[in-house]
Amino acid sequence: GQNIDQPTEMTATEGAIVQINCTYQTSGFNGLFWYQQHAGEAPTFLSYNVLDGLEEKGRFSSFLSRSKGYSYLLLKELQMKDSASYLCASSGGYQKVTFGTGTKLQVIP
Amino acid sequence: DVKVTQSSRYLVKRTGEKVFLECVQDMDHENMFWYRQDPGLGLRLIYFSYDVKMKEKGDIPEGYSVSREKKERFSLILESASTNQTSMYLCASSLQVARGADRYNEQFFGPGTRLTVL
Repeated sequence: GQNIDQPTEMTATEGAIVQINCTYQTSGFNGLFWYQQHAGEAPTFLSYNVLDGLEEKGRFSSFLSRSKGYSYLLLKELQMKDSASYLCASSGGYQKVTFGTGTKLQVIP
Repeated sequence: DVKVTQSSRYLVKRTGEKVFLECVQDMDHENMFWYRQDPGLGLRLIYFSYDVKMKEKGDIPEGYSVSREKKERFSLILESASTNQTSMYLCASSLQVARGADRYNEQFFGPGTRLTVL
């Protein structure tokens, strides 16, 4: 497997920017996913990074450094609806994906 | 819209019972997955299937089996349920996405089945 580490919980203020970090083992690594999961709901796809660098998608951006085994998800202009768990997941092959335990983000007014 | 459905949202079973969890997807996806999600442990892969009648063990297959007789349906079977199998079970199917020279599989999840084994 590919051990994945991410913070358990984070709190941020509405309108602010928050960065959620993720580290993973680099052996056999192919690409890095971020998923969002609201409480009681299924995870939904946010992003996939395979090359080094930043990929921007609206208020959300995801960064990858393959050499460092490091990724982050950046959320700008936080809204209350962004309160959710954010799952970092590494892909080591065509189908198999290993998920981290998730970071529970609470957005406060 | 991709739709992945699971047969039950909540299920209560007794120790030793045989349990079937059904998952159906309507987008002709090749790959299907079964995960369990537990607090502090995250999503863990039980089994996946990349074609009809094909299956591969995930990270925690012990105590589970699967069946994929039709492309759209992937069943998870607990032959003899135990209390440590109380969990949220999530099914997913995946679509291969081409982005330039990259290929990756975006997974679409069902709503989950919360199973309690007494």
